Amino acid sequence: EPEVTQTPSHQVTQMGQEVILRCVPISNHLYFYWYRQILGQKVEFLVSFYNNEISEKSEIFDDQFSVERPDGSNFTLKIRSTKLEDSAMYFCASSVGASESQYFGPGTRLTVL
Amino acid sequence: RKEVEQDPGPFNVPEGATVAFNCTYSNSASQSFFWYRQDCRKEPKLLMSVYSSGNEDGRFTAQLNRASQYISLLIRDSKLSDSATYLCVVNRRGSNYKLTFGKGTLLTVNP
Repeated sequence: EPEVTQTPSHQVTQMGQEVILRCVPISNHLYFYWYRQILGQKVEFLVSFYNNEISEKSEIFDDQFSVERPDGSNFTLKIRSTKLEDSAMYFCASSVGASESQYFGPGTRLTVL
Repeated sequence: RKEVEQDPGPFNVPEGATVAFNCTYSNSASQSFFWYRQDCRKEPKLLMSVYSSGNEDGRFTAQLNRASQYISLLIRDSKLSDSATYLCVVNRRGSNYKLTFGKGTLLTVNP
């Protein structure tokens, strides 16, 4: 069964450093998403991406965040200058269509020290 | 009012019990509805979509009441492997891209 994959599984970084989280969505999916979940809290939407551009973003997704699909398979989330409060689990998801079921990757645990 | 609100739980039930999860959503423009389950420190996994007519998948039954803006999930004959957090999720018309999650209800099924 096809699945979303994410690397790395765990990233530790110093405050102020840049991090890039990587995702490989399911191959025939056209819509890609990033969500985050701070420990003990609910899953929160960050951004959606379709046809090589951002479709929607939340208020969390400020100028420190960017997304890119650098080739035909990868989808990345970059945080330019990490803050302590960026520590969370970051999930990538993909779907065939805009209102179709979204399938999540296993997540990257980001720890900012 | 929170956009998606669930029973806070937690629920502790014996194996074989029937357990019901309730969820309300505040935005009447919500269009698609889902139940996901999440194991500890893992990703949300789609359990089932919820349709207006109600739908069943084995031991799981989901219901939607648009007038009351209410969604439910019933698990019959619960198994140890059903232990997880159950997440109510909605997708709003006009925002087809964004899933809004409830905080989840933790279920523990005991032997």
